[in-house]
Amino acid sequence: IAGITQAPTSQILAAGRRMTLRCTQDMRHNAMYWYRQDLGLGLRLIHYSNTAGTTGKGEVPDGYSVSRANTDDFPLTLASAVPSQTSVYFCASSAGPSGELFFGEGSRLTVL
Amino acid sequence: GQNIDQPTEMTATEGAIVQINCTYQTSGFNGLFWYQQHAGEAPTFLSYNVLDGLEEKGRFSSFLSRSKGYSYLLLKELQMKDSASYLCAVRDSNYQLIWGAGTKLIIKP
Repeated sequence: IAGITQAPTSQILAAGRRMTLRCTQDMRHNAMYWYRQDLGLGLRLIHYSNTAGTTGKGEVPDGYSVSRANTDDFPLTLASAVPSQTSVYFCASSAGPSGELFFGEGSRLTVL
Repeated sequence: GQNIDQPTEMTATEGAIVQINCTYQTSGFNGLFWYQQHAGEAPTFLSYNVLDGLEEKGRFSSFLSRSKGYSYLLLKELQMKDSASYLCAVRDSNYQLIWGAGTKLIIKP
């Protein structure tokens, strides 16, 4: 049982480069989310998707974009990475907007 | 603004009981979650409260008082493996989850 798979697990990136974090779930959940987690701060929502074909902005969407072409995949793209985007990124899914979240193992991104 | 407050760090002894508090101020309320997160790992679901009262699940219990904007997570018979961060999150009127910064629990032998 895979649940949610994120890739890469860790990446060091030069500032200004484009980067896509991949997220795939096999639970057929409608809702998917991207969070970033920084020391001393709670999880902050970047973007979300309540169902395939729709996306929405979270608390900290600037510098990030997402797409939801199908139910299973929800990639997060940094168009031009900056050092402040150094963080641990978690993808999550839930059966619906009111359900519990299931998280991927995280992607640790360092932007130099 | 919306706010979730929980202690930054707590220390407890193996075999003892510990209570982790969470207070919240949010735009509406549609449930409160507790998650456990071991260092370097993903958060995992522990409990969900939407009505006032105590929900018990094995060694873990979670309490909610909506009128006070308050919840606590109670861990009994502490084990070393319970050393982790415990995250409190509230679902607001728009069904968005608002997360606390987490409480790091250190268990000593």
